[in-house]
Amino acid sequence: NAGVTQTPKFRILKIGQSMTLQCAQDMNHNYMYWYRQDPGMGLKLIYYSVGAGITDKGEVPNGYNVSRSTTEDFPLRLELAAPSQTSVYFCASSYRTTGIVYKPQFFGPGTRLTVL
Amino acid sequence: AQKVTQAQTEISVVEKEDVTLDCVYETRDTTYYLFWYKQPPSGELVFLIRRNSFDEQNEISGRYSWNFQKSTSSFNFTITASQVVDSAVYFCALRDSNYQLIWGAGTKLIIKP
Repeated sequence: NAGVTQTPKFRILKIGQSMTLQCAQDMNHNYMYWYRQDPGMGLKLIYYSVGAGITDKGEVPNGYNVSRSTTEDFPLRLELAAPSQTSVYFCASSYRTTGIVYKPQFFGPGTRLTVL
Repeated sequence: AQKVTQAQTEISVVEKEDVTLDCVYETRDTTYYLFWYKQPPSGELVFLIRRNSFDEQNEISGRYSWNFQKSTSSFNFTITASQVVDSAVYFCALRDSNYQLIWGAGTKLIIKP
């Protein structure tokens, strides 16, 4: 298993440009997440998805969009890049059942984005 | 409100010393989960441990041990005989009732040779 993969690893954008951060997992996880990590800070949840076709906002969704057309893929879209979006972006996935047993989230390697 | 506090921003010790990373949490949930993750300089996040609120037994895994105390809402992490490879940022996290993780700000651990 490749686990959670993210592309690209690094990207520099100009203000106003748009881009899509790709995330894929091959563990058949139903839950997927996007986080951002600002320098010296913890992670903040941007969006999450509980399954294909279902997405919901996290703590800091403004400026981002997501889609979940398949179980495997969960791309994050930045429409009008701003310097405040300079951060490291982590995608994660987990498998949740209806019981109380909880599985940890598995993280991708991250995408370092700089907006100039 | 759910909250995780890691008061130690940075800790620096000499190799082979023991070191404890503190984590204090706030939650109104009676059932919850706590986690520790490691983020080495390469940037990826590595899952270390999960603890549920019903199980207050301490856990030991090699040089790592965790002390969970509900009475003080703490879930501290101790590394015994630290090694340079332990240098990383360590995050404590709380799973809330919406199954989302609430993260602490992280503690940067520096192990000097």
